[in-house]
Amino acid sequence: GQQLNQSPQSMFIQEGEDVSMNCTSSSIFNTWLWYKQDPGEGPVLLIALYKAGELTSNGRLTAQFGITRKDSFLNISASIPSDVGIYFCAGLFGEYGNKLVFGAGTILRVKS
Amino acid sequence: DTEVTQTPKHLVMGMTNKKSLKCEQHMGHRAMYWYKQKAKKPPELMFVYSYEKLSINESVPSRFSPECPNSSLLNLHLHALQPEDSALYLCASSPVQGSRTDTQYFGPGTRLTVL
Repeated sequence: GQQLNQSPQSMFIQEGEDVSMNCTSSSIFNTWLWYKQDPGEGPVLLIALYKAGELTSNGRLTAQFGITRKDSFLNISASIPSDVGIYFCAGLFGEYGNKLVFGAGTILRVKS
Repeated sequence: DTEVTQTPKHLVMGMTNKKSLKCEQHMGHRAMYWYKQKAKKPPELMFVYSYEKLSINESVPSRFSPECPNSSLLNLHLHALQPEDSALYLCASSPVQGSRTDTQYFGPGTRLTVL
């Protein structure tokens, strides 16, 4: 079945540094989504990407939908302590485009 | 407003109990989902409802019984659960099934503990 390979598994960075994480797959997806999840809470949608090559920003976050539709990256600029959490990439597939498969997640820890 | 609400926030139940989880959205979304998430793992899809009809059951054991009474509500009925069913149960909704704008929005989850 569809699988997403997300890397890195975890990051420990200095406050103010830029962060980059990515997801790759052997399958093609029509939509890529990036979520952030805090402990004990549900995933919160950060960025949605619908078109190959699309580059989208949301404040300090920037994400791109790879041109082959098999990969995506998320960048966070000038990280701050509240960026701590788990970041998941997710791809939509299925006959009706309603099955979401998640990457394993990237745990972000920021050292203030 | 992209809010999905879930109740209760926490639930502790014995293996012989019957309980229900509730999910509600008022965004006019016509697809709703149940996910199960174990610690340090990504969410795993359990059920999909589209226009109040069950469209996907990911081979979930029958001790989990979903129900969609109307387009805003989604329930998950629990009966005779096992300790390994302890997890965070997430509800999500999306605007229109099959659309390229079918972005899923998640609720805060119910933390379930089965004793």
